[in-house]
Amino acid sequence: GAVVSQHPSRVICKSGTSVKIECRSLDFQATTMFWYRQFPKQSLMLMATSNEGSKATYEQGVEKDKFLINHASLTLSTLTVTSAHPEDSSFYICSAERLARGSYNEQFFGPGTRLTVL
Amino acid sequence: QKEVEQNSGPLSVPEGAIASLNCTYSDRGSQSFFWYRQYSGKSPELIMSIYSNGDKEDGRFTAQLNKASQYVSLLIRDSQPSDSATYLCAVKEGDYKLSFGAGTTVTVRA
Repeated sequence: GAVVSQHPSRVICKSGTSVKIECRSLDFQATTMFWYRQFPKQSLMLMATSNEGSKATYEQGVEKDKFLINHASLTLSTLTVTSAHPEDSSFYICSAERLARGSYNEQFFGPGTRLTVL
Repeated sequence: QKEVEQNSGPLSVPEGAIASLNCTYSDRGSQSFFWYRQYSGKSPELIMSIYSNGDKEDGRFTAQLNKASQYVSLLIRDSQPSDSATYLCAVKEGDYKLSFGAGTTVTVRA
């Protein structure tokens, strides 16, 4: 499989601060990356699709000014949670898309970032 | 709206048995199908992808796809306690984003 890293793995911050999460594809180039959020005992919720060199596409209900996404290179996408509040506490997971054999793309997930806002 | 349905479980099987997981999807245009395994507190891990009707085997895992019935399944043979996890079915139409099922929790009893 392909390797996707995420940093940091865990962060605790005070309410009102901003937190940046990095997602890197280590052994392949990814023109498309995705950001998900997962609350305890719930399924993955797609927040946005990040395309290299262009603006991210946000899912309905996700505030683009609060969750800033930058996909500056083929191996790096960042998610910045601005003015974080306790309700933003969650498990944030990125995935990177790799072109697979047979021309269909596969998504590989990073290990996730657990955000706790106090 | 694309929908992916899975039995939520939990599915409990004895060690060494076959675990059978089912998934149905609503969008007939779907072209690629994936199974992810997610351990508690961890991120999903891709374990199988399938694009053509029929069976695809990889080690103890077999994925089965029937596009006419809009059905995809995953069999885990010789189940081990380490297979205890939540299994997510994911469906994709062309280059579009993945649609995930809610997941089936599997518990393998030693």
